[in-house]
Amino acid sequence: GDSVTQMEGPVTLSEEAFLTINCTYTATGYPSLFWYVQYPGEGLQLLLKATKADDKGSNKGFEATYRKETTSFHLEKGSVQVSDSAVYFCALSLNTGGFKTIFGAGTRLFVKA
Amino acid sequence: DAGVIQSPRHEVTEMGQEVTLRCKPISGHDYLFWYRQTMMRGLELLIYFNNNVPIDDSGMPEDRFSAKMPNASFSTLKIQPSEPRDSAVYFCASSSYRGLVREQYFGPGTRLTVT
Repeated sequence: GDSVTQMEGPVTLSEEAFLTINCTYTATGYPSLFWYVQYPGEGLQLLLKATKADDKGSNKGFEATYRKETTSFHLEKGSVQVSDSAVYFCALSLNTGGFKTIFGAGTRLFVKA
Repeated sequence: DAGVIQSPRHEVTEMGQEVTLRCKPISGHDYLFWYRQTMMRGLELLIYFNNNVPIDDSGMPEDRFSAKMPNASFSTLKIQPSEPRDSAVYFCASSSYRGLVREQYFGPGTRLTVT
């Protein structure tokens, strides 16, 4: 079945460090891919998205590239800040048949000053 | 745009009591989703609606849970009777089909504690 697998957390980094959170997916067809972020006490919010192979989504210094050949959508940021501490969810949405979004388990990020 | 609105933000109730969670989706959105989030199970989809009609309720845990969407601007999730294992954060999200991109907009959640 369709699924999303992301690296387990927590991930702990110092401020200004480079961030990578790995995400791979299994899907029939050609999904749209997303990264959502959840700050403490809040709901999930869309961070970035990509709809087809080789698309790069970017927002707030975060980037992810839709890699069809490796079925991956890794999240990266060159220099993290304390304010980036949150839980990050990788997700996919199939473009045919149904409307469910499938979320990964989430990766908690702690950034130390 | 006000975003997705949920009420109450916090609910504490005793086991056996009825609990009703409320959601107002973003105006113009025609899909509405109810999720439950716990540390043990993560984020679980309970049910979703399209144009006020339930499409998939396979995630609803058991008959104690029910959801309704009487109109495009309001939905409820009811638990009767509630049990301590229902303690979780419940999120409502809405979306609209625009082309091929189906991003969801989440509300702030309702934190439910059943004692």
